[in-house]
Amino acid sequence: EPEVTQTPSHQVTQMGQEVILRCVPISNHLYFYWYRQILGQKVEFLVSFYNNEISEKSEIFDDQFSVERPDGSNFTLKIRSTKLEDSAMYFCASRGQGADTEAFFGQGTRLTVV
Amino acid sequence: AQTVTQSQPEMSVQEAETVTLSCTYDTSENNYYLFWYKQPPSRQMILVIRQEAYKQQNATENRFSVNFQKAAKSFSLKISDSQLGDTAMYFCAFKLYNNNDMRFGAGTRLTVKP
Repeated sequence: EPEVTQTPSHQVTQMGQEVILRCVPISNHLYFYWYRQILGQKVEFLVSFYNNEISEKSEIFDDQFSVERPDGSNFTLKIRSTKLEDSAMYFCASRGQGADTEAFFGQGTRLTVV
Repeated sequence: AQTVTQSQPEMSVQEAETVTLSCTYDTSENNYYLFWYKQPPSRQMILVIRQEAYKQQNATENRFSVNFQKAAKSFSLKISDSQLGDTAMYFCAFKLYNNNDMRFGAGTRLTVKP
């Protein structure tokens, strides 16, 4: 069964450093998402991406964040200068064509900023 | 803006019993989708069940069923014959028909006791 894969599973970084979280969505999917879940808290929408551009973003997704689909298969989330409060699980998701299709989630990347 | 509220942070149920998880949402739109996602300790989000707002019939998926009350903006999940493997966080989610992002509630932590 096709699945969304995320790497790394755990990333530790120094405050102020840049991190790139990587995702490989399901191959024929067209919509891509990043969500964040601070430990024990709700899942928060960050950004959606379609047709090589951001389609929606939340208030969390400020200038420190960017997304890219560099090669047609990977979908990356970059945080330019990490803060302690960026520590969270980051989930990538993708879905196919059609408004009612379900989103498939990756297993997440745990980001720890120290 | 759309909001999703899950008023039960934690619930528990005896194995083989039935449990209902509550979810309410707020929207002025008429065309949308509602989802319940399960997040087991492995952390990967898994779709449990989906409901299209235009359908009056409540969705069912084996032991999982929903009680969708559109006028009341309520979307509860009933788990029948609870199993130990149902222990997880359960998130209610909302997606507008013509919008890419999906909004989640804060989650309900369900523990199934032997």
